[in-house]
Amino acid sequence: EDQVTQSPEALRLQEGESSSLNCSYTVSGLRGLFWYRQDPGKGPEFLFTLYSAGEEKEKERLKATLTKKESFLHITAPKPEDSATYLCAVRAGNAGNMLTFGGGTRLMVKP
Amino acid sequence: DSGVTQTPKHLITATGQRVTLRCSPRSGDLSVYWYQQSLDQGLQFLIQYYNGEERAKGNILERFSAQQFPDLHSELNLSSLELGDSALYFCASSVAWDYTFGSGTRLTVV
Repeated sequence: EDQVTQSPEALRLQEGESSSLNCSYTVSGLRGLFWYRQDPGKGPEFLFTLYSAGEEKEKERLKATLTKKESFLHITAPKPEDSATYLCAVRAGNAGNMLTFGGGTRLMVKP
Repeated sequence: DSGVTQTPKHLITATGQRVTLRCSPRSGDLSVYWYQQSLDQGLQFLIQYYNGEERAKGNILERFSAQQFPDLHSELNLSSLELGDSALYFCASSVAWDYTFGSGTRLTVV
């Protein structure tokens, strides 16, 4: 069974204090690891897709990396507007191609 | 606007009742996925349809059912509602590996 575990569950940072979020996964035949941002009461908003170990992608203050067992979302010099829940999901090579999500990391950035 | 439209945005109903949630996928997307998000759990996959056919099932209760119509919109039917069914219900659509989520329907069962 595909499993995704995110840590920490919650993270409080001061504005400008860089940190990383972790996503550990167990999946048979990874066909993509996805990062989403979710604001309260809204739908997940796509950030990145990573397909193979060693791959990295960047967008503004965010950088996602992937190994064979985990992914990291690095946040450099965060701002209060980066406060949100960050979700990690995997797509396995099974029928249906649905995404399996982790529990998310709630990030709060204080000014 | 993600291009995935869900209606209604909010729904309040009593236990034992039946409701229908609607999802219109992005133009051109053939796959529709339904997810449930409750306070104590993350996004849980319910069911997927592809071009009108059921493709995959997750942890969907027997009281719940879905279908996808020829115009590709999808409906999720929830019946004999219980307090524990209160949650956010999201629809996502995809073409290839590009998944886009709607803004969700918040269901409150009282």
